[in-house]
Amino acid sequence: NAGVTQTPKFQVLKTGQSMTLQCAQDMNHNSMYWYRQDPGMGLRLIYYSASEGTTDKGEVPNGYNVSRLNKREFSLRLESAAPSQTSVYFCASSERLAGSRSDEQFFGPGTRLTVL
Amino acid sequence: AQKITQTQPGMFVQEKEAVTLDCTYDTSDQSYGLFWYKQPSSGEMIFLIYQGSYDEQNATEGRYSLNFQKARKSANLVISASQLGDSAMYFCAMRDEEAGGGNKLTFGTGTQLKVEL
Repeated sequence: NAGVTQTPKFQVLKTGQSMTLQCAQDMNHNSMYWYRQDPGMGLRLIYYSASEGTTDKGEVPNGYNVSRLNKREFSLRLESAAPSQTSVYFCASSERLAGSRSDEQFFGPGTRLTVL
Repeated sequence: AQKITQTQPGMFVQEKEAVTLDCTYDTSDQSYGLFWYKQPSSGEMIFLIYQGSYDEQNATEGRYSLNFQKARKSANLVISASQLGDSAMYFCAMRDEEAGGGNKLTFGTGTQLKVEL
């Protein structure tokens, strides 16, 4: 199992350009998440999808859109990138399992995005 | 709203010693979960340990234990017998476990741990 995969690993954009970050998981999880990590601020939730067909805003959704394409894939789109969106982006997935208490989130390796 | 506070930006510990990383939280929920994740310099997020708000015993996972003091709203991570490979950033996180919470996590700002010889 690959777990959670993210593409690309690195990306440089110019202000105003658009791009889509891709995320896929092979663990048959219902819930998926997008976070951003900035120095000194920990991880902050951008959007999440509790199940296929649903998406909800997190703490910092402005400037982003998401698509839950199917159960496996959850993409994050920047329509008009800004320097303030320079960050490391993490995708994660989780599942509520009978008999499991932690149901921890599993994270992808991250995408390092720089907006010039 | 939930909030996690990690007041130690950086910590040093000698190899084989124990170290405690502090975490305090703020929530009005009755049902919540507390997590610790490790982030090595390579960048991945590694789940370490979980404590539920109704758990009466402190969670333990190998060399990791969680010192859960509900009345003080603290969930400190204790790493025993530190190893050089424990050098990493450590994040405390809280999950809203009320109905409809969506399994979302709120993270603290992290503590950078350096293990020295």
